[in-house]
Amino acid sequence: SQQGEEDPQALSIQEGENATMNCSYKTSINNLQWYRQNSGRGLVHLILIRSNEREKHSGRLRVTLDTSKKSSSLLITASRAADTASYFCATERAGGTSYGKLTFGQGTILTVHP
Amino acid sequence: EAGVAQSPRYKIIEKRQSVAFWCNPISGHATLYWYQQILGQGPKLLIQFQNNGVVDDSQLPKDRFSAERLKGVDSTLKIQPAKLEDSAVYLCASSLVGLAGIHTQYFGPGTRLTVL
Repeated sequence: SQQGEEDPQALSIQEGENATMNCSYKTSINNLQWYRQNSGRGLVHLILIRSNEREKHSGRLRVTLDTSKKSSSLLITASRAADTASYFCATERAGGTSYGKLTFGQGTILTVHP
Repeated sequence: EAGVAQSPRYKIIEKRQSVAFWCNPISGHATLYWYQQILGQGPKLLIQFQNNGVVDDSQLPKDRFSAERLKGVDSTLKIQPAKLEDSAVYLCASSLVGLAGIHTQYFGPGTRLTVL
């Protein structure tokens, strides 16, 4: 079963606007990762945030993590048409035999209009 | 550095036929994963290898799916016999253990399977 629930399922914005996607999960985690998938292609790793971190930046990406609420958000600032893709959060569960194993959410489809 | 290679990119088969997918991970990556991604959903892990041993195959439908990773490098995933619900993209990923035990997975382009 999918660990993560993403919100919204689809997001449509204009170039230059910011895009925010949210992810909720159910169990304790080691880390949470965000991936991008362009239509018909494989997934590309964007950013990872560890369970003891609250915020992380990478270029135009900002990720926050609230372990008390079991939620994360991905903010893409100054969006571009090339950011059009599906975005997935993935969690690495804490403990046991989950070493390196990721559980993905359903994804958010982002469309950036030129 | 070459990425994860997968073949074929597309495959169309009739139900009850068999099919095999091939994956070549990034050189030096000990961990290899096979995922199934049904249209409109996130990837679901089918099996995880560490070198040539299976770490996790709890979500692999073992009555019809099998996978192997001979010599700890290339891997094949087989479906026999295929069902209509197996139509999906099959993604291969590989990783190595980096700083603080972090596994960053690198994905191949996937094989799109259509079962008619």
